[in-house]
Amino acid sequence: EAGVVQSPRYKIIEKKQPVAFWCNPISGHNTLYWYRQNLGQGPELLIRYENEEAVDDSQLPKDRFSAERLKGVDSTLKIQPAELGDSAVYLCASSLELDNEQFFGPGTRLTVL
Amino acid sequence: GDSVTQMEGPVTLSEEAFLTINCTYTATGYPSLFWYVQYPGEGLQLLLKATKADDKGSNKGFEATYRKETTSFHLEKGSVQVSDSAVYFCALRDSNYQLIWGAGTKLIIKP
Repeated sequence: EAGVVQSPRYKIIEKKQPVAFWCNPISGHNTLYWYRQNLGQGPELLIRYENEEAVDDSQLPKDRFSAERLKGVDSTLKIQPAELGDSAVYLCASSLELDNEQFFGPGTRLTVL
Repeated sequence: GDSVTQMEGPVTLSEEAFLTINCTYTATGYPSLFWYVQYPGEGLQLLLKATKADDKGSNKGFEATYRKETTSFHLEKGSVQVSDSAVYFCALRDSNYQLIWGAGTKLIIKP
């Protein structure tokens, strides 16, 4: 069974540019998570989806970040415009249901210059 | 709010040494506790978990016991291998099913 797929794996952009990350969760998993992981820290939840509904986006900086999960499967996280402080690894995870084990993708390492 | 504190790394050991990585937590209620591992270039993987006090989680020779009295969930392994080199994260799941993470501990095993 394929795991959580993320692309791209690495992205380097200049500040004020837009960037988008894509995630394909494990087939059949209803819950999808986006995390941000800064260097030397644990992941921080940005947004959680139950099917196509965003049920917890309290940590998402809504002035520049947006996310969508069309048809309750793939998801895209966007930053526009990017700032230097956005440099981090962006992780996607999925679980069968809310209280089941989360499976993580390899992440996208974003560098903002 | 809920929080997790784990020992700073890196932790450097020789092969076959005994490993302990300390983890303590602050939480309301009785959260489930987890250890995740991140090998170089790979995604986070669940290593073991415990859902209630005195439960022992175990996997791949690693163990951790949920100690309510000391609010701890220390990770142990009796004999480490070079292949255990990775970053280890302690986490709790709060009442909203959100994972609260420690900062991670890098483990380096030398042959």
